[in-house]
Amino acid sequence: DGGITQSPKYLFRKEGQNVTLSCEQNLNHDAMYWYRQDPGQGLRLIYYSQIVNDFQKGDIAEGYSVSREKKESFPLTVTSAQKNPTAFYLCASSKGAHSYEQYFGPGTRLTVT
Amino acid sequence: KNQVEQSPQSLIILEGKNCTLQCNYTVSPFSNLRWYKQDTGRGPVSLTIMTFSENTKSNGRYTATLDADTKQSSLHITASQLSDSASYICVVTGGGSQGNLIFGKGTKLSVKP
Repeated sequence: DGGITQSPKYLFRKEGQNVTLSCEQNLNHDAMYWYRQDPGQGLRLIYYSQIVNDFQKGDIAEGYSVSREKKESFPLTVTSAQKNPTAFYLCASSKGAHSYEQYFGPGTRLTVT
Repeated sequence: KNQVEQSPQSLIILEGKNCTLQCNYTVSPFSNLRWYKQDTGRGPVSLTIMTFSENTKSNGRYTATLDADTKQSSLHITASQLSDSASYICVVTGGGSQGNLIFGKGTKLSVKP
């Protein structure tokens, strides 16, 4: 899991509530990423950020929002607009852009009922 | 369409035996190919990363091969251990300044005593 922490490990929410997942890294990496993992599927990119105060949508950004106010932190908010929020969420960071090796956090399992 | 296909989907072997996992891709242009190991409920951990010019790369009992002509890669595990039980994910990075990562769905390996 390197120097990336995600909290909490498990998160339960009621439908209609927004929830924020935490991701912190102490690797001094410029780039950070959020992925979603569902059973039987490959990881899918939600958002990524290559520099502070800038971020880009990934393949499945609808219903999610992010911020990058500090180099070390990249929180993800799952909004009530996300139709199927229950999933395993992984945060990653890399020294530079996508071609650099990505280091993953331990993940947060979100369950919405 | 850029795709990464892994086979088999799942595999059961006895402790001490060898096994080979396959990865075929159609990503173009190609930047690099990575193999990750993901324990259940944890984040993926990098095993190897290979660029176009590399044919083989080893990491302990793990050996990855790459044939860029046929767009195939394999991950060979020697003398398997119970701790090798995990999902193994093949990831291909496309080229370009915004090179995106294409994730395979993974092969779930179970090593039995």
